[in-house]
Amino acid sequence: DTGVSQDPRHKITKRGQNVTFRCDPISEHNRLYWYRQTLGQGPEFLTYFQNEAQLEKSRLLSDRFSAERPKGSFSTLEIQRTEQGDSAMYLCASSLEVTGNTGELFFGEGSRLTVL
Amino acid sequence: SQQGEEDPQALSIQEGENATMNCSYKTSINNLQWYRQNSGRGLVHLILIRSNEREKHSGRLRVTLDTSKKSSSLLITASRAADTASYFCASFSGGYNKLIFGAGTRLAVHP
Repeated sequence: DTGVSQDPRHKITKRGQNVTFRCDPISEHNRLYWYRQTLGQGPEFLTYFQNEAQLEKSRLLSDRFSAERPKGSFSTLEIQRTEQGDSAMYLCASSLEVTGNTGELFFGEGSRLTVL
Repeated sequence: SQQGEEDPQALSIQEGENATMNCSYKTSINNLQWYRQNSGRGLVHLILIRSNEREKHSGRLRVTLDTSKKSSSLLITASRAADTASYFCASFSGGYNKLIFGAGTRLAVHP
């Protein structure tokens, strides 16, 4: 399967613990996005990378959140000192950005975080 | 912030009926996209309509775009139980940077 993969699919943690999610995009895609989605809502943009450069971060991304894409391939999203309000589905998506392309995003299945 | 707002929030129909979902957006767009999400899963791209297009078809899907009203609609014809999902509109504003989603329409198709 050459789609976007995310790991883990589910994570239950206690408040105050750190968690890390990994995303492996489609191999030739140069853009990688992170979104957060709570129940009954649409995905909220968190951040995106163009190759290894993090080009934009949402104000939703507090200083407890950090994302990296060290070699322009896979990405990690770390949440430090988790809070119950961090409970959500974290979605990763990738796309191939070239002049005149459609901007279609390919999503992974998400990583569901539950903070107790 | 959400770029698009879908209407209705929820829609319940019988198999074979048509389902229409509407989307309004705030700023100028390059294109508008519709995605589908089954419960607990990732999103899947359905169809894209460019700002210079007014209507587009793909199988049982028909999308319209009215840039003067900043609105779009998604029509699913002859719905099936397998169409049960949430549907989101999304758009880039001011370039291909970040795709912003609406809150979605939850469609339930009953056999």
